[in-house]
Amino acid sequence: DIQMTQSPSSLSASVGDRVTITCRASQGISNYLAWFQQKPGKAPKSLIYAASSLQSGVPSKFSGSGSGTDFTLTISSLQPEDFATYYCQQYSTYPRTFGQGTKLEIK
Amino acid sequence: EVQLVESGGGLVKPGGSLRLSCAASGFTFSIYSMNWVRQAPGQGLEWVSSISSTSRFIYYADSVQGRFTVSRDNAKNSLYLQMNSLRAEDTAMYYCARDPSGPWGHGTLVTVSS
Repeated sequence: DIQMTQSPSSLSASVGDRVTITCRASQGISNYLAWFQQKPGKAPKSLIYAASSLQSGVPSKFSGSGSGTDFTLTISSLQPEDFATYYCQQYSTYPRTFGQGTKLEIK
Repeated sequence: EVQLVESGGGLVKPGGSLRLSCAASGFTFSIYSMNWVRQAPGQGLEWVSSISSTSRFIYYADSVQGRFTVSRDNAKNSLYLQMNSLRAEDTAMYYCARDPSGPWGHGTLVTVSS
């Protein structure tokens, strides 16, 4: 199985900051990577697919990059509604696997 | 608007069974693979099962293999998850999601407890 490792596991930041979350795959997955945002008590929301393509309706403050084994999600100009938990997921092969999540908290 | 609505969750005793359903609308359901993903209380996301558009290809996580069965009815725009021999560790919110990257339904809660 492909292991997905996110870092950091938690992150404290201020409104207006720019943050980057990293996701590393245990083997190459090309660009078959998605990023999700989850707020407490809510279902995950898709942000990015194919490593860098923004889902329709997702603001351009979110951006993704990477290929192979190393990927990043960057959120610019943090707003209160951006504080949530973020997950990466590979869909290169089965079983699909998720990172453990990165909890973004307000400083 | 794309919409996925799960139902069928509830409280069940260990060893019992439940059948989850997911009603899809707002997109051509029959051309997409679909997934079930679960989230135990306070935990991360765990992929459970996937089914291809024609049901030809089906995959399961090791943790549910042999106990859960995924199926779909393209004429009814519906996805199902038959869960048998349920265990306490199956307690979770169960989400259906369009492959590969969403959208996701709101989830249905399954609680396995005596």
